[in-house]
Parts: sequence; C-alpha cells; structure tokens
Amino acid sequence: AQTVTQSQPEMSVQEAETVTLSCTYDTSESDYYLFWYKQPPSRQMILVIRQEAYKQQNATENRFSVNFQKAAKSFSLKISDSQLGDAAMYFCAYLTSYDKVIFGPGTSLSVIP
Amino acid sequence: KAGVTQTPRYLIKTRGQQVTLSCSPISGHRSVSWYQQTPGQGLQFLFEYFSETQRNKGNFPGRFSGRQFSNSRSEMNVSTLELGDSALYLCASSFGMGAVGNIQYFGAGTRLSVL
Repeated sequence: AQTVTQSQPEMSVQEAETVTLSCTYDTSESDYYLFWYKQPPSRQMILVIRQEAYKQQNATENRFSVNFQKAAKSFSLKISDSQLGDAAMYFCAYLTSYDKVIFGPGTSLSVIP
Repeated sequence: KAGVTQTPRYLIKTRGQQVTLSCSPISGHRSVSWYQQTPGQGLQFLFEYFSETQRNKGNFPGRFSGRQFSNSRSEMNVSTLELGDSALYLCASSFGMGAVGNIQYFGAGTRLSVL
C-alpha cells in the first residue's frame, strides 16, 4: 500500500527567506501523481502545486517549486521569498492508480516577520 | 463557479446521537471525498463517491456511512456518536478522472463537537 511521510511536523521561516518542506512516499507504481496542498488557519484547503511522475522536469508555480526525485521517492516543496500569508499546514499527497488520494500527516509552517 | 459548500459549519451533539453532514460539490464534479481531520490523527480518508457509487473507502467503523445523490451532492452520516468523533470533517470534490480531474477542491469543513 502507498504511504506518504512528512518528517517535519513544524517548521518556521523568516519573512522573505526560502524554506523547503520534505515529503517522501512509498509505492510500487511507476506512474502516479503528487500534490502539495495548503491549509491556512481559515481551514479551506487549496492546491499549491502538482507533479506528474513521468515528467522529469520539476513543477513550478510562482514562488512555489518542487524537487522531485523519483528514484529516492522524494517530493519536497520549496517556498521562495516567504510571505506572512504562507503560514499554514502543508500536506503532501499521492494519487494512486485507482484514483484514491493519500495525504501525509502535514507540516505546520510559521512565517516570522 | 461556486466552490464546495459544506453545511452546517458547526455542530454540537451528545454521545449516542447521530448526525448528517452535507456537501455540495463544484458544478460538474462527479467525485466527492470525505476526510476526518483531528490534531492527533491528521487527515484521514473516510470514503469517496463517484456517480452515486462508493468507489473507495477508508478504515472507519460502520457507524460512518455516506451516500451521493444524482446531482452529485453527498451526505455523510455518523450514528451512535462517540467523544472521539469530534473533528473537522472535510469534503472535497473533483471531476474524478485522471490526474487533472482528480485535483481536489475542498470545502471549509464542518466542525463537529461531541459532548
């Protein structure tokens, strides 16, 4: 069965600095999809970025980018120029071949002004 | 396009009661997933409905059930409530097929407190 691990329960970053959130997963599938979701204190979860496993190029969305290492089964999220609005819980997620989404335990990110 | 709507936003119940939560997905979305979120257990998958059929199910007791209607709206029912059922219940909708289709859009959640 697929599992998703986020080893950093909490992290903090200075405003305008860069932070990297870690995610590893376990799967025997060769083709799959990975996502990062953000849940701000208001609780509405939103998609930050997604990566298709068959694409070697790392996905980028404005200040958010991923470092996808397929062989290592690693999918980290880099946030550049951190802003106060980036403070939230971040969840790494894996989409299985039978359309089930598995979420990691989350990382709570604090942004220090 | 309206987002995912969950009602009610807050609910207080006592042990032994039952509760029904509602989720209206984004128009055109056929898949609705339910999650339970607690500080200790994180985000746990309950079940997913696609075109009125339960397609995936998490590891929850039979007290947790759901259904989906022909208009894709979904309800989740919890019977014989226990204190441990206190949680934020999140609903997510997606088109339901493929990678782009399975991008989930979440509602604001229903905060259930069991006293």
